[in-house]
Amino acid sequence: EVQLVESGGGLVKPGGSLRLSCAASGFVFSDYYMNWVRQAPGKGLEWVSSISSTSTYIYYADSLKGRFTISRDNAKNSLYLQMNSLVAEDTAVYFCARRLGGQLWSADFDSWGQGTLVTVSS
Amino acid sequence: QSALTQPASVSGSPGQSITISCTGTTNSVGSYNLVSWFQQHPGKAPKLIISEVNKRPSGVSDRFSGSKSGSTASLTIAGLQAEDEADYYCCSYVGYSSWVFGGGTKVTVL
Repeated sequence: EVQLVESGGGLVKPGGSLRLSCAASGFVFSDYYMNWVRQAPGKGLEWVSSISSTSTYIYYADSLKGRFTISRDNAKNSLYLQMNSLVAEDTAVYFCARRLGGQLWSADFDSWGQGTLVTVSS
Repeated sequence: QSALTQPASVSGSPGQSITISCTGTTNSVGSYNLVSWFQQHPGKAPKLIISEVNKRPSGVSDRFSGSKSGSTASLTIAGLQAEDEADYYCCSYVGYSSWVFGGGTKVTVL
């Protein structure tokens, strides 16, 4: 069974940093693109970032303005998101999601974790 | 990235069919057959129910179907059931190595 478990969320002050982790199991982690998607309280989903199976290709939403860094460790079956210069608008549940890649750019995010809540507040 | 527009809410009675639209632009939905749909119940993670416009993942009810015409994709739920009450999001590749979600549609079963 595919499992994705996020951790690392919490309360952080504006301007602060946080590192999220996602532990994967039940599939060959190194075969898949992985992604971060966030959801502000009571709001919709927002794609944040994507990383290819070997970390060769990395993509970010324009709105992040270079503050976030995605990475992965295939030996540890883990995905990470380093978030810097956090602002209140970054408050959200952050989900990690596997992308099947049925077609090269398919939005087939087929497996999701339960999410970890990041709250940016003074 | 360009936006995808969905109606805020759609409702129907049990057994009825409803359709949710997802309108993009010629540079997003209109250019790629890469629209997916997700179902999200309150407090839960999203679930993929349609990928690449009209492909249903294994285990997803055949009451869910997808289509596209021009720059508008659609999700139809046939034989509406109480368990279908949830939020539904479309998502499309929009070029430049990025994906965009629609604003979401709340489906209410009357």
